[in-house]
Amino acid sequence: DQQVKQNSPSLSVQEGRISILNCDYTNSMFDYFLWYKKYPAEGPTFLISISSIKDKNEDGRFTVFLNKSAKHLSLHIVPSQPGDSAVYFCAASGNNAGKSTFGDGTTLTVKP
Amino acid sequence: NAGVTQTPKFRVLKTGQSMTLLCAQDMNHEYMYWYRQDPGMGLRLIHYSVGEGTTAKGEVPDGYNVSRLKKQNFLLGLESAAPSQTSVYFCASRRPGQGFQPQHFGDGTRLSIL
Repeated sequence: DQQVKQNSPSLSVQEGRISILNCDYTNSMFDYFLWYKKYPAEGPTFLISISSIKDKNEDGRFTVFLNKSAKHLSLHIVPSQPGDSAVYFCAASGNNAGKSTFGDGTTLTVKP
Repeated sequence: NAGVTQTPKFRVLKTGQSMTLLCAQDMNHEYMYWYRQDPGMGLRLIHYSVGEGTTAKGEVPDGYNVSRLKKQNFLLGLESAAPSQTSVYFCASRRPGQGFQPQHFGDGTRLSIL
């Protein structure tokens, strides 16, 4: 049973508009949620995180929202830029050797 | 500042051959991880280590072995490669402590088993 799910394999948006990437999880023991960004032929790089005791975290154009009761989080990118085109992974972790469980990723394409 | 370096970047093996993937980090991180990523899927944890001389199984450990003889290095071994092990392998490291510490990844090793 997949504990972290990203149900949209791909998303296409116009430059300047908002991108919303979604993630659902099933394990209520997760304490932290992280988003990673991955370009082709590179490793994932950390983007933004949120603790389970918060419902929002913002860093520049990137905002992550957490709805703990619904076990749902989303990443908002405003405004979207062509350089944001990448695969975005949602990851969840508890206090267990820093292990993270990853979703399958969403490929974001931002069109000029 | 190299971060996490994986060697080699590409490799083609024949079924039954063995090989070792090397991961080196220069950030003095305690925790290290090996993942595999298959097409259309996320990263699945193979093995991990919480310190020099320690290793533990992850989600998909079968067919792999690991060693952490030095803090900065984490080796992943395939004793008898199988086509099902064709994948992209990522190594990561992070500091110990609370879960919001991000993992730092290498650029991956693309492995094909014929």
